[in-house]
Amino acid sequence: DVKVTQSSRYLVKRTGEKVFLECVQDMDHENMFWYRQDPGLGLRLIYFSYDVKMKEKGDIPEGYSVSREKKERFSLILESASTNQTSMYLCASSLGDNSPLHFGNGTRLTVT
Amino acid sequence: GQNIDQPTEMTATEGAIVQINCTYQTSGFNGLFWYQQHAGEAPTFLSYNVLDGLEEKGRFSSFLSRSKGYSYLLLKELQMKDSASYLCAVRDLANTPLVFGKGTRLSVIA
Repeated sequence: DVKVTQSSRYLVKRTGEKVFLECVQDMDHENMFWYRQDPGLGLRLIYFSYDVKMKEKGDIPEGYSVSREKKERFSLILESASTNQTSMYLCASSLGDNSPLHFGNGTRLTVT
Repeated sequence: GQNIDQPTEMTATEGAIVQINCTYQTSGFNGLFWYQQHAGEAPTFLSYNVLDGLEEKGRFSSFLSRSKGYSYLLLKELQMKDSASYLCAVRDLANTPLVFGKGTRLSVIA
């Protein structure tokens, strides 16, 4: 079974802090994604990557950056956390277009 | 642009059948996925449709009509554990990320 692991289940950070959310997958998937999920808004794509060193902006990249130095690891960075970035963050990976996304368990981030 | 519509909430009775609809307007079409998400958990894959017709997988089936921009997820013999959100997601162009609908929260009652 594919395993997508997010480093933290819950995080509480202060406004202005730099925040790192880590995601690792163990199935040699090319594609990795970061979403945030908010009530009434559904899943929204922040950034994605189809290869090592490659990154593409999703629908809501403002205030975020990503890093993909190794195939199995895709990190989401909040350069200066703000309260409107309080959300559930979900990482996912997939083999290709016809393959389903496999999600991590999510990180619930609270910015105070 | 892309638009995916699903009902926000549905309620159904244990043992019954429920149909969750999804309509989409996209510039192209390269597959439709359904996911199940229990409260506080990650979404898990249920089904994939790329050609018109019905895909059956146990108690769950998914139907696609590309000409109508329409899909539905059919859940039979409902169980309490089926209470969850069901997410419809469409890929419009090849090698682009999925676009998700906002999800349908299904409550199964006794």
